Amino acid sequence: DIQMTQSPSSLSASVGDRVTITCRASQDIYSSLAWYQQKPGKAPKLLIYASSRLESGVPSRFSGSGSETDYTLTISSLQPEDIATYYCQYYSRTILSFGGGSKVEIK
Amino acid sequence: EGQLLESGGGWEQPGGSLRLSCSASGFIFSSYAMSWVRQAPGRGLEWVSTINEYDETYYADSVKGRFTISRDNSRNTLYLQMNIVRAEDAAIYFCAKKLPYITLDVWGPGTTVTVSS
Repeated sequence: DIQMTQSPSSLSASVGDRVTITCRASQDIYSSLAWYQQKPGKAPKLLIYASSRLESGVPSRFSGSGSETDYTLTISSLQPEDIATYYCQYYSRTILSFGGGSKVEIK
Repeated sequence: EGQLLESGGGWEQPGGSLRLSCSASGFIFSSYAMSWVRQAPGRGLEWVSTINEYDETYYADSVKGRFTISRDNSRNTLYLQMNIVRAEDAAIYFCAKKLPYITLDVWGPGTTVTVSS
């Protein structure tokens, strides 16, 4: 099974800061990597898929990059509405595997 | 894009059974794979099961042999039959639509399952 490891598990940043979250897969996942945003009491929202493709309607301050085993989600300028927990996810035709989550707070 | 709405959650004692439903609208339900994902209180997301458009099914090891995913395309409804439930099955259960060769793009609001004696 493919394991996904996210870091950090939590972070605190100021409005306008650049925020980076990383995700490492236990083996090469060939860019089959998505990022989700989840706010308290809500369902997850798809932000990015195929490592770097922005889902329709997602603000351009969100971006993704990476390949093989290492992937990154970047928020170029943190906004108050970005306070949430972010999850990476490996996907295939048969299984899905989530990272443990990264909680983003405002300093 | 579509909408999903789960139902059927509630309280069950360990060893009991529950059936969750997920009603779909706004897209051609029969053309898409569908998944269940759960989230235990204060914890992260855990994939539970997927059924594709050909009725092929896949399960996480934690539920294999106890849970059964199915679909009724005539009713645009996804199901999760949960048998021999355990305390660790307590969670919010989300259903989600899976894009071909990609991942889950539409999610329901979730339904809560509580397991305790």
